[in-house]
Amino acid sequence: SQQGEEDPQALSIQEGENATMNCSYKTSINNLQWYRQNSGRGLVHLILIRSNEREKHSGRLRVTLDTSKKSSSLLITASRAADTASYFCATDQGGSEKLVFGKGTKLTVNP
Amino acid sequence: GAGVSQSPRYKVTKRGQDVALRCDPISGHVSLYWYRQALGQGPEFLTYFNYEAQQDKSGLPNDRFSAERPEGSISTLTIQRTEQRDSAMYRCASSPGANLRTEAFFGQGTRLTVV
Repeated sequence: SQQGEEDPQALSIQEGENATMNCSYKTSINNLQWYRQNSGRGLVHLILIRSNEREKHSGRLRVTLDTSKKSSSLLITASRAADTASYFCATDQGGSEKLVFGKGTKLTVNP
Repeated sequence: GAGVSQSPRYKVTKRGQDVALRCDPISGHVSLYWYRQALGQGPEFLTYFNYEAQQDKSGLPNDRFSAERPEGSISTLTIQRTEQRDSAMYRCASSPGANLRTEAFFGQGTRLTVV
């Protein structure tokens, strides 16, 4: 079963705009990860945030984590057409080492 | 190799046949995961290994599905008596540590089509 639920399911923006995607999860976690998947291809790890962290940056990516609300957000600033992809959050499940993915947000960045 | 390698990349099989999907993880990686992904959906957990030990197989849909990693490196996912509903992308990932404290590296997947 899916642990995370991304919101929105689909997002379409213009190049240069910021894109924000949200992820909610159900159980306690040790960390939360975000992955990107270009059309039908492999998944690529973007960023990992631990449960004791609240915010993390990597280049144009900013991830926040609110464990009290069991939610995370991924912000992509100054988006580019190459950012067009599906974005998934993935979490462990507290005591489990099972990495469970959400259904993803499909981002389209229009040139 | 440099990354996780899966073979074959594409497999078409007739209903009722058995198939074996192979995953060659990054050398030295402790954990190995199998996922199934339907079009437009997120990866669905099937099973995972630490070294040669299968830690969790709760995601395997039924007893036609099995996986092994006998020497703690290469893994094989076997589907017996395939059915059309088994058609999907099967993805393998490996991770350096045994506790999900680091990222998982995914292979390109095996696209299975059961006709």
